[in-house]
Amino acid sequence: DARVTQTPRHKVTEMGQEVTMRCQPILGHNTVFWYRQTMMQGLELLAYFRNRAPLDDSGMPKDRFSAEMPDATLATLKIQPSEPRDSAVYFCASGLVRGPGPYNSPLHFGNGTRLTVT
Amino acid sequence: EDQVTQSPEALRLQEGESSSLNCSYTVSGLRGLFWYRQDPGKGPEFLFTLYSAGEEKEKERLKATLTKKESFLHITAPKPEDSATYLCAVQATGNQFYFGTGTSLTVIP
Repeated sequence: DARVTQTPRHKVTEMGQEVTMRCQPILGHNTVFWYRQTMMQGLELLAYFRNRAPLDDSGMPKDRFSAEMPDATLATLKIQPSEPRDSAVYFCASGLVRGPGPYNSPLHFGNGTRLTVT
Repeated sequence: EDQVTQSPEALRLQEGESSSLNCSYTVSGLRGLFWYRQDPGKGPEFLFTLYSAGEEKEKERLKATLTKKESFLHITAPKPEDSATYLCAVQATGNQFYFGTGTSLTVIP
């Protein structure tokens, strides 16, 4: 089965360092979501792209987080500078939506990047 | 405020002991309700989509149902390999998916 690929799987870094997480969506999918998962909050939406354009990044702290899709096969989530409260598992999910309406198809998740900021 | 609540938080079952997981939601304009399974160290894996009240979906020992206020995931005669966290997500009008915090299921042989 085709899967979303995320790298790295684990990242340990010191506070203040830049962190870049990468995601390769399933070939042919035109939507990409970034989520953060913690024990306390569960899954929180950070950003949403359709056809490489950002449609919703309201869940993302703008001062330190940025998300981009340089091409259809790569999505990146960057944190600069990182802080201990950013420690979490970051998931990328992709899907296919047809037509201009809101997305309502199932998401396909990668296995996440576990980030630890010390 | 749009909200998804799952119960119980944790559930322990003996192998073969059937039970149900609950997902209650309050959203404005439900576009779809999704069930996912998540194993430790993995991303959520899609199980079912339900779009309207009265709809049911089945897959092996799992059956999902939907009413106007909640969804149930029924597990019939569970096996140890069904142990996982089960997540419910709803989508209202718009792009936002609201996830519950999940039910951690343990099936004891």
